[in-house]
Amino acid sequence: DVKVTQSSRYLVKRTGEKVFLECVQDMDHENMFWYRQDPGLGLRLIYFSYDVKMKEKGDIPEGYSVSREKKERFSLILESASTNQTSMYLCASSSTAKTGYRTQYFGPGTRLLVL
Amino acid sequence: DAKTTQPPSMDCAEGRAANLPCNHSTISGNEYVYWYRQIHSQGPQYIIHGLKNNETNEMASLIITEDRKSSTLILPHATLRDTAVYYCIDFNAGGTSYGKLTFGQGTILTVHP
Repeated sequence: DVKVTQSSRYLVKRTGEKVFLECVQDMDHENMFWYRQDPGLGLRLIYFSYDVKMKEKGDIPEGYSVSREKKERFSLILESASTNQTSMYLCASSSTAKTGYRTQYFGPGTRLLVL
Repeated sequence: DAKTTQPPSMDCAEGRAANLPCNHSTISGNEYVYWYRQIHSQGPQYIIHGLKNNETNEMASLIITEDRKSSTLILPHATLRDTAVYYCIDFNAGGTSYGKLTFGQGTILTVHP
């Protein structure tokens, strides 16, 4: 079974703090994604990576950065946390297999509260 | 805007089949029908996907109409643990797209004892 793990299920941080969210997948997937999920706004893509050291901006990259130094690990960094970054953060991974089989598998999520 | 349409909520008795409908009025030829579910406060869980043919796995069955404008997810013997929000998605995983998932409002399925 595909397993995607995230470093924390719940985090509480203060405004201005630097926050690191880590995601690890064990299926040798090429693609990794960071989303945030908010009530009424659905799922929004922050960043994704299709290879080690490669990254692409999603729809809402402002205030975030990412790092992918190893294939299995994708980190999301909030450079200076703000209250509007309070959200559920979801990591996902997928394989660059034949078309149509790029199923994304999600981690359990990190619920971040910024005070 | 979500491209699929689902009923906002459905109820099902434990042990009975749950049939969740979805309309895909704008689905294109290279888009697959995907179903995910999300149990409260957890990450989305992949259930099943298909292109044209009906599909079955250990979790569910997927029925896609011939014109691909609608699909039905079937949980053959619903349990209380199947209570969740179910999302159907038209997902283009080909071309230059690495696949951005967009969830609509989904269907809240409540399984009753």
